[in-house]
Amino acid sequence: AVQLTQSPSSLSASVGDRVTITCRASQDIARALAWYQQKPGKPPKLLIYDASSLESGVPSRFSGSGSVTFFTLTINNLQPDDFATYSCHQYNTFPSFGGGTKVEIK
Amino acid sequence: QVTLRESGPALVKPTQTLTLTCTFSGFSLTTTEMCVSWVRQPPGKALEWLALIDWDDDKYYPPSLTTRLTISRDTSNNQVVLTMTNMEPVDTATYYCVRSRGYSYLHAFDFWGQGTAVTVSA
Repeated sequence: AVQLTQSPSSLSASVGDRVTITCRASQDIARALAWYQQKPGKPPKLLIYDASSLESGVPSRFSGSGSVTFFTLTINNLQPDDFATYSCHQYNTFPSFGGGTKVEIK
Repeated sequence: QVTLRESGPALVKPTQTLTLTCTFSGFSLTTTEMCVSWVRQPPGKALEWLALIDWDDDKYYPPSLTTRLTISRDTSNNQVVLTMTNMEPVDTATYYCVRSRGYSYLHAFDFWGQGTAVTVSA
């Protein structure tokens, strides 16, 4: 099974900041990686698929990059609505998810 | 507009079998490359993929849970059913029904239901 390790597990940031979250895979997953945003009591929302493709309707301040085993999610100009937990998901083999990164208000 | 809605018991006893139903709209599970999965999330923990059924009625499970899970579909009623046997307290989680498009599990999950919380306790 492919293990996904996210870092950091949590971070504090201010509105307007640039935030970068990383996701490392335990083996080569090519570009088969997605990023989701989740708020308390709500289901995850797809932000990025295929490592860097922006899902329709998602603001352009979200971007993804990476391949093979190292991936990043970047949020530019952090907005109040962006404080949430972010998770990565690989689908190169049987799907697995990262442990999540909680973005909190500083 | 794609929607998915989960239904099932909120409480099950250890050793019992859990049956969850996903009722969806806005797409057909007989359309090529349409898939429905179940994903769960224990309180405060990471998401875990459980099962997928595709437009061709092929089914996929993670090796660690394959003996306990069965996924099936009722295309006339736009429903997908998941059964999980021998429930334990560690199976306490919110269970989500999700859609993806493409072949088997090799794609992101683009639409999610609101989830249904299941507690396993005597």
